[in-house]
Amino acid sequence: GENVEQHPSTLSVQEGDSAVIKCTYSDSASNYFPWYKQELGKRPQLIIDIRSNVGEKKDQRIAVTLNKTAKHFSLHITETQPEDSAVYFCAASIRSGGGADGLTFGKGTHLIIQP
Amino acid sequence: NAGVTQTPKFRVLKTGQSMTLLCAQDMNHEYMYWYRQDPGMGLRLIHYSVGEGTTAKGEVPDGYNVSRLKKQNFLLGLESAAPSQTSVYFCASSRTSFSYNEQFFGPGTRLTVL
Repeated sequence: GENVEQHPSTLSVQEGDSAVIKCTYSDSASNYFPWYKQELGKRPQLIIDIRSNVGEKKDQRIAVTLNKTAKHFSLHITETQPEDSAVYFCAASIRSGGGADGLTFGKGTHLIIQP
Repeated sequence: NAGVTQTPKFRVLKTGQSMTLLCAQDMNHEYMYWYRQDPGMGLRLIHYSVGEGTTAKGEVPDGYNVSRLKKQNFLLGLESAAPSQTSVYFCASSRTSFSYNEQFFGPGTRLTVL
């Protein structure tokens, strides 16, 4: 099955600096790669996603890049702010015969924004 | 719209007891999913459903059963709870296959098995 590795597990950056979180996946059939943000005690919420026919996608301070050949994708957050502090999860689609693909998640990155 | 809701929010069980977690969505979504989240493990797919009356196994299905008798509801059952099932359980739904549509998550159910 699909395996998703996420690094680093903890990332501390100064407010205003950029943060980069990297993920690799194993199943070349995966075609959808969302990123979720989870604040303490809350539900995961989608912040950006990318499909396999696109190499990069940007939404204001957040961008995601995908390298299908190398099977890795990354989340970039620029001009970090205190409210960016949270746990971030990458995920990759699971190809199943049923047609309803689940998601395989990375283990998460705890992003800490230092004032 | 309430989105995706889950009941109960918290529950404590003794080993061997049974319980059912209820997930409800009011977005007319076809697909629904159950995940569990353990510290340092991310979220893992337990079971999923592509529509009313259908269910399928995910990554970690052992010890759980599910039912989707109505399109808006997806039930997760534990027949004989074990301490290893202590976790936070999240339900999610999407309009069709998540590959093309965002999965929306419920608020979670924190389950402790003693």
